[in-house]
Amino acid sequence: DVKVTQSSRYLVKRTGEKVFLECVQDMDHENMFWYRQDPGLGLRLIYFSYDVKMKEKGDIPEGYSVSREKKERFSLILESASTNQTSMYLCASSFRGRTGELFFGEGSRLTVL
Amino acid sequence: RKEVEQDPGPFNVPEGATVAFNCTYSNSASQSFFWYRQDCRKEPKLLMSVYSSGNEDGRFTAQLNRASQYISLLIRDSKLSDSATYLCVVTRGTGFQKLVFGTGTRLLVSP
Repeated sequence: DVKVTQSSRYLVKRTGEKVFLECVQDMDHENMFWYRQDPGLGLRLIYFSYDVKMKEKGDIPEGYSVSREKKERFSLILESASTNQTSMYLCASSFRGRTGELFFGEGSRLTVL
Repeated sequence: RKEVEQDPGPFNVPEGATVAFNCTYSNSASQSFFWYRQDCRKEPKLLMSVYSSGNEDGRFTAQLNRASQYISLLIRDSKLSDSATYLCVVTRGTGFQKLVFGTGTRLLVSP
């Protein structure tokens, strides 16, 4: 089975802290994605990567950065967390050319106080 | 106008009922379409792709109407386990296709 693993299910951070969310997939997928999901807004794409060291902005990249040093790992970084970044963060991966078939991790619920 | 619009529901139906959801999209250039299912407090999972000719997978039937820019999902003989939120998804862009998710339609199937 495809496995996308997110490092933390629940995090509580303070405003201004630096936050790292890690995601690892074990299916040799080329594409990896970070979404956030908020009630009434659905899933919104923050960043994606279609290859190692490659990254592209999604629809809401402000306040976030990403890193993809290895094919299986895609990290989301909040340089200085703010309360409006309180959300559910979902990592996903897919094969190149099959971007409609996303495999999601279980999500990381981040609360910024 | 949102790129993808869905009735949030909830749709409350008894077991065995047939239920249909629609989803409209605004970008006429969208090329691919999908339905995802998301259980409460779980991650979304691909339910089925939506093909131009329509497609069926067991009790689930998906249809695409490009002229009117909507997608539908029909569930026959509803089961309790069908209770979930159904997300309509379309692609955007040329080259690398990004997915745009609707906010979902919630289905509650009762005994």
